[in-house]
Amino acid sequence: SQQGEEDPQALSIQEGENATMNCSYKTSINNLQWYRQNSGRGLVHLILIRSNEREKHSGRLRVTLDTSKKSSSLLITASRAADTASYFCATPPNTGNQFYFGTGTSLTVIP
Amino acid sequence: KAGVTQTPRYLIKTRGQQVTLSCSPISGHRSVSWYQQTPGQGLQFLFEYFSETQRNKGNFPGRFSGRQFSNSRSEMNVSTLELGDSALYLCASSLPSGRVGEQYFGPGTRLTVT
Repeated sequence: SQQGEEDPQALSIQEGENATMNCSYKTSINNLQWYRQNSGRGLVHLILIRSNEREKHSGRLRVTLDTSKKSSSLLITASRAADTASYFCATPPNTGNQFYFGTGTSLTVIP
Repeated sequence: KAGVTQTPRYLIKTRGQQVTLSCSPISGHRSVSWYQQTPGQGLQFLFEYFSETQRNKGNFPGRFSGRQFSNSRSEMNVSTLELGDSALYLCASSLPSGRVGEQYFGPGTRLTVT
């Protein structure tokens, strides 16, 4: 299975602080994606990083990828209360759309 | 463009019954995937449909089935419901898999089996 595992399972920070969450996966990938899920809702795509990229930025998000360690990290800078959500990494297969999702990190940003 | 829509949003059924959930993908998207989300198992892939054909299937019993219509709308059916089928069912649409891209998720259908 290519299922990822996020770490930590839960994270609680003050507004304005940075939040870092990590993802490990098991097999080779073409790309790795991060998604956000607000409580009981659908997932929203945040960012995609390809296997030949080491770092990518999008607004307050920074994603790194280390294919030698089969790990990725998501950094959210200057967090806001609205960032409170669960964050998942996903590793799609080489073909098809059978995504494998990690277990998720539950982030709480305290105003 | 309108997003992915799922109907109904909430559903309560009794053990032993069957249920059909519907998903309308984003216009132009031909791939529809279904996922089951539970607190204990997390997000698990059910199946993917592309051009009316099931292309991938997860590790779920035969009670879970689906289909896709010519307009790319998809339905999934669960027969002989069990208490453990209570979950948030999410569908996601994607452009054809020849392109490496992201999935666009609907809001989900919350199924409760009593």
